[in-house]
Amino acid sequence: SSELTQDPAVSVALGQTVRITCQGDSLRSYYASWYQQKPGQAPVVVIYGKNNRPSGIPDRFSGSSSGNTASLTITGAQAEDEADYYCNSRDSSGNHVVFGGGTKLTVL
Amino acid sequence: QVQLQQWGAGLLKPSETLSLTCAVYGGSFSGYYWSWIRQPPGKGLEWIGEINHGGSTNYNPSLKSRVTISVDTSKNQFSLKLSSVTAADTAVYYCARALPAAEADYYYYYMDVWGKGTTVTVSS
Repeated sequence: SSELTQDPAVSVALGQTVRITCQGDSLRSYYASWYQQKPGQAPVVVIYGKNNRPSGIPDRFSGSSSGNTASLTITGAQAEDEADYYCNSRDSSGNHVVFGGGTKLTVL
Repeated sequence: QVQLQQWGAGLLKPSETLSLTCAVYGGSFSGYYWSWIRQPPGKGLEWIGEINHGGSTNYNPSLKSRVTISVDTSKNQFSLKLSSVTAADTAVYYCARALPAAEADYYYYYMDVWGKGTTVTVSS
């Protein structure tokens, strides 16, 4: 079982705001990183660190953290944001890496 | 622009050893963790393990007894071996570059470059 817990599925109306969460003890020491994966493609990092976006990632993606919970927020969701989203960090020991189980985002 | 190119056998029989290699093009090998991740059909991502340029490794405890990750810095390549495979090891296997860092009293760790993935099927 994953040490990072995500809701399996979330939906959002086109143009609205959606928050995807990730819970785990390691998040009290580590910022989560967030990955977007579309069918048949490798994951792509969309948020890392406190709230950093790699070049090319739209600014509608943002990250935040509080206690043992990390959140990925998409402000003004677009049809192309429909994908699976995974959070990731090192575990509490720092010796291993963990992924959340993934959240399937549907844009209605 | 760093690119990862991965290759290896895509069809194995039960009990055989999975062997994949990932080559790093266009960037430094040092200062990063080089990771393997897999994704069974229709399921989520599972971290397999990692190695740094000095050869220090960390493995997923659930796979540790069967996994070996090695590095060849002269070729900018790292490799995965997974022994005694079963159907449960059928998955897309990805290599990735990972960067550990710190910011505002927190650590973070992210995989910024990924290979395209190799589909590995275990079937008799």
